[in-house]
Amino acid sequence: DAGVIQSPRHEVTEMGQEVTLRCKPISGHNSLFWYRQTMMRGLELLIYFNNNVPIDDSGMPEDRFSAKMPNASFSTLKIQPSEPRDSAVYFCASSPSGRAYEQYFGPGTRLTVT
Amino acid sequence: RKEVEQDPGPFNVPEGATVAFNCTYSNSASQSFFWYRQDCRKEPKLLMSVYSSGNEDGRFTAQLNRASQYISLLIRDSKLSDSATYLCVVTGTYKYIFGTGTRLKVLA
Repeated sequence: DAGVIQSPRHEVTEMGQEVTLRCKPISGHNSLFWYRQTMMRGLELLIYFNNNVPIDDSGMPEDRFSAKMPNASFSTLKIQPSEPRDSAVYFCASSPSGRAYEQYFGPGTRLTVT
Repeated sequence: RKEVEQDPGPFNVPEGATVAFNCTYSNSASQSFFWYRQDCRKEPKLLMSVYSSGNEDGRFTAQLNRASQYISLLIRDSKLSDSATYLCVVTGTYKYIFGTGTRLKVLA
């Protein structure tokens, strides 16, 4: 079975550019999470969707970040404009109905903003 | 004070040793607790849940102490393959807070 799919796996961009990260959750899972991981701050929850609806976006750092989930099989995290401090690994995770604690993570997107 | 705190380590232990990590949390209303494992440059993976009565899975034992607000993970008979970073997770309503992890190195 395919796990959570993320693309791209690596992204290098210049400050000020728009960055779009993509995620395909595991089929049948109804919860989706976006996380950011850095050495300094560890793994931080950015936003959580349930049945394609954003439930908690209090972790989104600022207005430069936005996330969408237009359907059950696709989500995007967009950063516009990007800044060097956004450099991190961004993970997407999904979980089955009623078991939001049982999160399956994708391989992550390693973002470098120069 | 951070909501979830872990000793970053590294804990360097010989094969066969027993090692234990703690994770403290600040919100007494926290509902559920878990341990995840993350290998170097890989994604986190769920290791086990932490129940009030304790939870054992092979060489791994997880325990919860609500009075002192910490959870623990005990690994017996350490294997080289146990080398990883162990992340505790504390949850509340729609909140999933990960600790920054404790790094374990099992040495031959």
